[in-house]
Amino acid sequence: NAGVTQTPKFQVLKTGQSMTLQCAQDMNHEYMSWYRQDPGMGLRLIHYSVGAGITDQGEVPNGYNVSRSTTEDFPLRLLSAAPSQTSVYFCASSYGTGERTEAFFGQGTRLTVV
Amino acid sequence: AQRVTQPEKLLSVFKGAPVELKCNYSYSGSPELFWYVQYSRQRLQLLLRHISRESIKGFTADLNKGETSFHLKKPFAQEEDSAMYYCALEGTYKYIFGTGTRLKVLA
Repeated sequence: NAGVTQTPKFQVLKTGQSMTLQCAQDMNHEYMSWYRQDPGMGLRLIHYSVGAGITDQGEVPNGYNVSRSTTEDFPLRLLSAAPSQTSVYFCASSYGTGERTEAFFGQGTRLTVV
Repeated sequence: AQRVTQPEKLLSVFKGAPVELKCNYSYSGSPELFWYVQYSRQRLQLLLRHISRESIKGFTADLNKGETSFHLKKPFAQEEDSAMYYCALEGTYKYIFGTGTRLKVLA
């Protein structure tokens, strides 16, 4: 029972490099989202998706791209890494909306940009 | 604007003492509110949702629409409650999280 799987768990990038953080879920959830977690700032929404082919920006989308070609996968792309993107990134998936919804999180990717 | 505010970054209490983690929200409409918890080296997970009116691990939270609050309470803290707690608002296909409160329960 995998749930939400993120890869890699750790990554070090040089400034200017690009990379893709992978996120996959096996629960057939419609909604997926990416957050970054920074000390004192909590979890901030980067991008989210309400289904295959549909994505939208969250609170802090600059410097990141997403796509959703399948229900299962929701990769996050860093176009040109900057030290300000050093953070822990969480992917989440959820079903429905309203009172019975619940978000399921991946284990996180710790990214350091030097 | 949709917003969740957790005023305390760190809350330290002794084992057996009562705990209250504060959460205030801003939302137009009927909010769906949740508490998520992140134990050390574990992924974020749902603790409780307001609609269920349930008690999980001794924790309860009451939605007060007049005060726009959703404080998390436990009458007697245990050491295993030490974790990061996030209050969250479900706002149309996505979640809005507060900045989190780290709870430390001292022996």
